Amino acid sequence: KAGVTQTPRYLIKTRGQQVTLSCSPISGHRSVSWYQQTPGQGLQFLFEYFSETQRNKGNFPGRFSGRQFSNSRSEMNVSTLELGDSALYLCASSLVQGIGSGANVLTFGAGSRLTVL
Amino acid sequence: GENVEQHPSTLSVQEGDSAVIKCTYSDSASNYFPWYKQELGKRPQLIIDIRSNVGEKKDQRIAVTLNKTAKHFSLHITETQPEDSAVYFCAASRASGGSYIPTFGRGTSLIVHP
Repeated sequence: KAGVTQTPRYLIKTRGQQVTLSCSPISGHRSVSWYQQTPGQGLQFLFEYFSETQRNKGNFPGRFSGRQFSNSRSEMNVSTLELGDSALYLCASSLVQGIGSGANVLTFGAGSRLTVL
Repeated sequence: GENVEQHPSTLSVQEGDSAVIKCTYSDSASNYFPWYKQELGKRPQLIIDIRSNVGEKKDQRIAVTLNKTAKHFSLHITETQPEDSAVYFCAASRASGGSYIPTFGRGTSLIVHP
């Protein structure tokens, strides 16, 4: 089956602009989470959506937001871009097995590489 | 919040040697510990994981050990091969809002010399 698909793969923006990234999860996966990857900070959790609801949020400013649609596809938006927002943005989907199962295996997309000039 | 320390940041070995990567975590509520491998320019991929009720898990040349009391877990790769060269990330996950949220280590760049 198809993996996690992220678009666009690469984009260049200037400071102050806003950007929207898209993620299509594996069919049947209802949980979608987003991560920022930078050389300095590594992989950091942004937020997680399940059934169109944000269930968890990481420690990022309000300029970072997201949403999930009824077909589980998700978008994230970054407004008023700053130079420090340059990063690889990774989306991951998971087949939530429930807390009792003790696991939440993530399957990552290839990422959207954002460069802010 | 959770804090995950990962060491070393770079590990260089000869083909056939063993490699060990260590992680420590701070939140005793973390109970799921996955390891991801990220090859250059590619997406992270799960290679092995362990739950808090298990002390050790093996999958061919890869093994993970967990010491809950000391709050540390390690990845062991035996008989390393050049294709093992990649960045390895550990993560400590805790239940939150019906899901498991990972906190990642900074990564270890493993270089296997032929």
